[in-house]
Amino acid sequence: DGGITQSPKYLFRKEGQNVTLSCEQNLNHDAMYWYRQDPGQGLRLIYYSQIVNDFQKGDIAEGYSVSREKKESFPLTVTSAQKNPTAFYLCASAGTGRYEQYFGPGTRLTVT
Amino acid sequence: QKEVEQNSGPLSVPEGAIASLNCTYSDRVSQSFFWYRQYSGKSPELIMSIYSNGDKEDGRFTAQLNKASQYVSLLIRDSQPSDSATYLCAVKRNRDDKIIFGKGTRLHILP
Repeated sequence: DGGITQSPKYLFRKEGQNVTLSCEQNLNHDAMYWYRQDPGQGLRLIYYSQIVNDFQKGDIAEGYSVSREKKESFPLTVTSAQKNPTAFYLCASAGTGRYEQYFGPGTRLTVT
Repeated sequence: QKEVEQNSGPLSVPEGAIASLNCTYSDRVSQSFFWYRQYSGKSPELIMSIYSNGDKEDGRFTAQLNKASQYVSLLIRDSQPSDSATYLCAVKRNRDDKIIFGKGTRLHILP
């Protein structure tokens, strides 16, 4: 059963703590993306990776970090430097040479 | 001008009628356009992609593209209550191939 999984679905953290969000895909897609969605806002690109061991900053990368050690996995770390981390985080992937992005179910992060 | 603009809605449409969702974009050389449906609390789901001027039909959905007017629309025929969702328009920006999402239009189908 092919798809994109994100875990956990809900995550609660105290301010000042780093937290890592998981994203795994078995679609054999080369490209993977992390977005953030806030109420009333569009999707904003945090980081993206088009190939293993390479990634680029998106529009709002400050306070976030990623790694791409395996094709299937693209974890996102929300660091304590991120000023407003509470949001809905979405991971997506796209096939080689394709621009249609397919989304995972998302992780809702709440930091208090 | 925003890169991708959509009316936030809500757009209320009676069940069985045609729902028409509109989107304008600023990059006149964009070539790839997408419509996503997002139910409340869920992630976006790709409905349609369109690359050429004209209409593209898939079941009850029709995407329409007019590059000269920088306008893309989504028509939903025979609207059902299950179509009630937020619809996101997305455009591939030509200069860096990034996908830019609009903020979405909330659609409410009235039973």
